[in-house]
Amino acid sequence: GQSLEQPSEVTAVEGAIVQINCTYQTSGFYGLSWYQQHDGGAPTFLSYNALDGLEETGRFSSFLSRSDSYGYLLLQELQMKDSASYFCAVNTNAGKSTFGDGTTLTVKP
Amino acid sequence: DTEVTQTPKHLVMGMTNKKSLKCEQHMGHRAMYWYKQKAKKPPELMFVYSYEKLSINESVPSRFSPECPNSSLLNLHLHALQPEDSALYLCASSPTEQSTDTQYFGPGTRLTVL
Repeated sequence: GQSLEQPSEVTAVEGAIVQINCTYQTSGFYGLSWYQQHDGGAPTFLSYNALDGLEETGRFSSFLSRSDSYGYLLLQELQMKDSASYFCAVNTNAGKSTFGDGTTLTVKP
Repeated sequence: DTEVTQTPKHLVMGMTNKKSLKCEQHMGHRAMYWYKQKAKKPPELMFVYSYEKLSINESVPSRFSPECPNSSLLNLHLHALQPEDSALYLCASSPTEQSTDTQYFGPGTRLTVL
């Protein structure tokens, strides 16, 4: 089976940088995805890492270390609208995505 | 068109009712998914369809019955549900079932079983 661990809550102020970590245990690992979900909304894809290293998309970056079974999502220049839940998800060769329990990010003025 | 649509947005049903959830995408995606999400929990995979054939059933009770009439449509038929089945039901699609593909989620149907 798969298991993922990520912090349950993170709080930061506007303009700051925050890092959300994700560690995983799985077989048949293909890659690690990150999704954002606002209250009452649907998950929205943010980024995907299949290889080690950093992927940058605007204010958001994601990192993966396959040898450490570890990844993180980095959010820069935080804005109030970034307050949401963030899920890491492992993609496996079985065609499945398994989501972590999610991290609730609260951005304060 | 880069969106997945779901109807209805909200559904209230009794335990003896039969209802259906509908999902549609026009992105040419060949993989479609049903997830169940309880409040403050992550989405849980229920079913995967690949090229209109059921490829994954995550041991979902038979009171949930998926159907893929064509490559753009995905239905979830509901019958004799229990109150604990109340949740947000999310549909998603991706270009193929290969795990490198991004999944695009619909807005979900919020189901309440009385």
